Amino acid sequence: NAGVTQTPKFQVLKTGQSMTLQCAQDMNHEYMSWYRQDPGMGLRLIHYSVGAGITDQGEVPNGYNVSRSTTEDFPLRLLSAAPSQTSVYFCASSYSTSGWNEQFFGPGTRLTVL
Amino acid sequence: SQQGEEDPQALSIQEGENATMNCSYKTSINNLQWYRQNSGRGLVHLILIRSNEREKHSGRLRVTLDTSKKSSSLLITASRAADTASYFCATDGGATNKLIFGTGTLLAVQP
Repeated sequence: NAGVTQTPKFQVLKTGQSMTLQCAQDMNHEYMSWYRQDPGMGLRLIHYSVGAGITDQGEVPNGYNVSRSTTEDFPLRLLSAAPSQTSVYFCASSYSTSGWNEQFFGPGTRLTVL
Repeated sequence: SQQGEEDPQALSIQEGENATMNCSYKTSINNLQWYRQNSGRGLVHLILIRSNEREKHSGRLRVTLDTSKKSSSLLITASRAADTASYFCATDGGATNKLIFGTGTLLAVQP
């Protein structure tokens, strides 16, 4: 099993550009989530999904869009990148539909917005 | 807003010593989890303790939970250089479907 995979590992964008961060898991987990990690802030939940076709907002959803068309994939879209979105982004999945069980994390995508 | 806060923010010890990290949280919880993050990597789950449990062990890890004080501690015994990492607590805040992380403790174990 590859677990949770994320692409790309690094990305540099200019302000106003859009892009999609990819996340996939091969563990047949129903629950998937996106976090951003900033220095001194810990991890903050952006969006999450409890199954295909179902998504919901976390703590910091503004400027981000998600969809869940399959169990395996949960892409995160930046609609119009801003310097404040410079961060490390982590995707995670869990075997339980409640997000408060053990989560498995991907290796992260380091995003810089100029 | 952060649900959990770890204390201390940074901790430096010698190999073989014990390391203790604390986590305080604000609202009632279903469970509390601890994760480790090595530099530049994703988080790895260490241990989960349920709200009706007071203590849990896993190898060299010992976690305690005091729901009356809304606090938890993680003890790593006989630490090794490989334990150098950031450690985060995470709780559900009593709500379903969301896991809220603290700001982390950076542990450095000197060989």
